Amino acid sequence: GQQLNQSPQSMFIQEGEDVSMNCTSSSIFNTWLWYKQDPGEGPVLLIALYKAGELTSNGRLTAQFGITRKDSFLNISASIPSDVGIYFCAGHGQAGTALIFGKGTTLSVSS
Amino acid sequence: SAVISQKPSRDICQRGTSLTIQCQVDSQVTMMFWYRQQPGQSLTLIATANQGSEATYESGFVIDKFPISRPNLTFSTLTVSNMSPEDSSIYLCSVYDFSYEQYFGPGTRLTVT
Repeated sequence: GQQLNQSPQSMFIQEGEDVSMNCTSSSIFNTWLWYKQDPGEGPVLLIALYKAGELTSNGRLTAQFGITRKDSFLNISASIPSDVGIYFCAGHGQAGTALIFGKGTTLSVSS
Repeated sequence: SAVISQKPSRDICQRGTSLTIQCQVDSQVTMMFWYRQQPGQSLTLIATANQGSEATYESGFVIDKFPISRPNLTFSTLTVSNMSPEDSSIYLCSVYDFSYEQYFGPGTRLTVT
């Protein structure tokens, strides 16, 4: 089945630093989504990408849908303590199907 | 975006018992899904809850262990049957409707002793 490889697995950064994480898939995806999960909560949608090459921002977050449709990255600029959490990439391979998730990137921010 | 609630938010259950988790959405949605998130792990799809018909299960998940109901377009239940400690996880309800943006409930944290 389709799989997503997400990296890095974890990151420890200082407040104010920029962060980058990415996902690659073994096959083509039609959409890419990025979620953040806080402890004890369900994942919250951050950014959704629908077209190859698309670059979308949401505040300090920027994500891109790779041209090959097999990868995506998420950047967080000027990190703050509340950015701490687990970030998941996810994608749809086919219309009407449920999301497939990456293994997550755990972000820790020290002030 | 759809607002999703789940009951219970958490429970501690004994081995061999069953727990039914409810998922309520504030609007009608076409697709509802159930995911499992084991401790420290990512989300794994259990099944797609189909309105008016049997759920579609992913490989490794069976109806006898995880029976699912979906009586209408806003509600679904997932039962975890004959529980063992390996079933200790967060169970998440998720929906999307005619778009690729999928939303999640807050999850049900299950501990089996």
